[in-house]
Amino acid sequence: QKEVEQNSGPLSVPEGAIASLNCTYSDRGSQSFFWYRQYSGKSPELIMFIYSNGDKEDGRFTAQLNKASQYVSLLIRDSQPSDSATYLCAVNKGNTPLVFGKGTRLSVIA
Amino acid sequence: KAGVTQTPRYLIKTRGQQVTLSCSPISGHRSVSWYQQTPGQGLQFLFEYFSETQRNKGNFPGRFSGRQFSNSRSEMNVSTLELGDSALYLCATSARWGNTGELFFGEGSRLTVL
Repeated sequence: QKEVEQNSGPLSVPEGAIASLNCTYSDRGSQSFFWYRQYSGKSPELIMFIYSNGDKEDGRFTAQLNKASQYVSLLIRDSQPSDSATYLCAVNKGNTPLVFGKGTRLSVIA
Repeated sequence: KAGVTQTPRYLIKTRGQQVTLSCSPISGHRSVSWYQQTPGQGLQFLFEYFSETQRNKGNFPGRFSGRQFSNSRSEMNVSTLELGDSALYLCATSARWGNTGELFFGEGSRLTVL
């Protein structure tokens, strides 16, 4: 079982819609959860992190965490073509290094 | 504030050769991590250095090694290159070590092994 699993996509959504990206993790002791965005040919950049169960909002982005279900999601409201990228979910616990999922490719269609 | 700088950006080697990649962190960042990214495996952790000490190591063979200097700059070395080592090698830095996933990535060094 992979430690962090994501649907590879592509996930296609029309401009202005809500994009919903999902991630599950296997280590129940995971404590910190991150979403990175990676444009084609570029390096990953951190867009959100969440440590506690529930929702965390930052502009058009909302991260959701459900530790009981070992599930993390990222919602992107009012999706724009500039949001088209691969979104990487990553988790860690304690002083361990980040473990990344393989990413979901999002395509926002104008 | 300058970002994370990786050199070289692109390189081509042949099987059996060795390669050294360099990473200069953001000023003030003392933790440096290295990741290998391939289409099939995604981002895989290689090692992490803080204060010139290796703090964590991933599941890679001993051909992969690294070090960190007193100015926090880091290098990684891959010896006896294999075709499967072709990948994007990403360096990521953070201000502190331990329980932080707030990493800043460099643009990477793309290695092709022929």
